[in-house]
Amino acid sequence: DAEITQSPRHKITETGRQVTLACHQTWNHNNMFWYRQDLGHGLRLIHYSYGVQDTNKGEVSDGYSVSRSNTEDLPLTLESAASSQTSVYFCASSGWTGGEQYFGPGTRLTVT
Amino acid sequence: QQPVQSPQAVILREGEDAVINCSSSKALYSVHWYRQKHGEAPVFLMILLKGGEQKGHEKISASFNEKKQQSSLYLTASQLSYSGTYFCGTAEINQAGTALIFGKGTTLSVSS
Repeated sequence: DAEITQSPRHKITETGRQVTLACHQTWNHNNMFWYRQDLGHGLRLIHYSYGVQDTNKGEVSDGYSVSRSNTEDLPLTLESAASSQTSVYFCASSGWTGGEQYFGPGTRLTVT
Repeated sequence: QQPVQSPQAVILREGEDAVINCSSSKALYSVHWYRQKHGEAPVFLMILLKGGEQKGHEKISASFNEKKQQSSLYLTASQLSYSGTYFCGTAEINQAGTALIFGKGTTLSVSS
């Protein structure tokens, strides 16, 4: 069965370190998204991609970057982790622009 | 522009009804509804496209008033399994193809 996976599921890192969160989907979807979820803020869009080599900034993109070299993967990189980036991160994909999104299980990141 | 959801929280007994509202200051192309249970990923419920259509899934239905930029989610004869946080996600009409912006969520608690 097609699925969307994220790794690691939990990560603790130190302030200033570079961190990369992986997202892999086997739906063959062109559209992929990264969100962060914090209490009181709901889901906030970080970056998204509509296909290979395409990336776009979302609402809260500062301090984050993504690259899309193939259809299946959209890794999220925190260039220099900050305590304010402690959060739960969700990756999602959809088969058509504006279509229903399938979410991965999430990565809980703690920056100390 | 993040849509505004109301109420923030709802407490129900099994069998009672609830309405969750989602309002935007922007002209909308579509509205999505998702449900997230504690510790899990959000799960898609339904999409409403501009045109004022109403959709339903068993005892959960929704409407979209594009003139008012509002959508409402109706949960009738609630069940324990309806508990969770409900999010609306909106796509603006002048940016069709732009990723969704989610509201902060409405927490629904159903007790027996």
